[in-house]
Amino acid sequence: GDSVTQMEGPVTLSEEAFLTINCTYTATGYPSLFWYVQYPGEGLQLLLKATKADDKGSNKGFEATYRKETTSFHLEKGSVQVSDSAVYFCALSYTGNQFYFGTGTSLTVIP
Amino acid sequence: KAGVTQTPRYLIKTRGQQVTLSCSPISGHRSVSWYQQTPGQGLQFLFEYFSETQRNKGNFPGRFSGRQFSNSRSEMNVSTLELGDSALYLCASGFDGDRARDTQYFGPGTRLTVL
Repeated sequence: GDSVTQMEGPVTLSEEAFLTINCTYTATGYPSLFWYVQYPGEGLQLLLKATKADDKGSNKGFEATYRKETTSFHLEKGSVQVSDSAVYFCALSYTGNQFYFGTGTSLTVIP
Repeated sequence: KAGVTQTPRYLIKTRGQQVTLSCSPISGHRSVSWYQQTPGQGLQFLFEYFSETQRNKGNFPGRFSGRQFSNSRSEMNVSTLELGDSALYLCASGFDGDRARDTQYFGPGTRLTVL
């Protein structure tokens, strides 16, 4: 079946450090891939997405590349800020179908 | 424009009771999906409604049901509450629910506690 596996958290980084959050997926077809972010007390917000292999999604300094050969969609940011502290969810979906979410990775950035 | 709103934000119920949660999508959106978020299971899809019809359903028991009204507002109902139903319930709205081209906007959620 379809599923998403994220690296376990929590992750704690100092401000301006490099961030990588690993995400791999198992899919029976050709899904779109997403990263969502959840700030404390809020719902999920779309951070970026990629709809086909080799696409790169990017937003607010974050980026992720859809790698079909390694079934991965790792999230990266070159220099994190305190305001990036949140829970990050990797997800996949097919057209007209529901999301399959990973378990989430909590990120804390300390000044 | 206004975002997705969910009411109430917090609920406390006892086992055996039933509960109704409400979701108002962004104006113009016709697709509403519901998710259950728990620390143990993460985010799990409950169901999706589009133009008042249930279009997709996750793997939850029949105690979980929903509906959508002509103005696209949606409600979900949980009957005979169990302790394990304690969770954050999130709804998401979109124009047509096509995940590849349509951005899903999530509400802040309703925190349900079952005692």
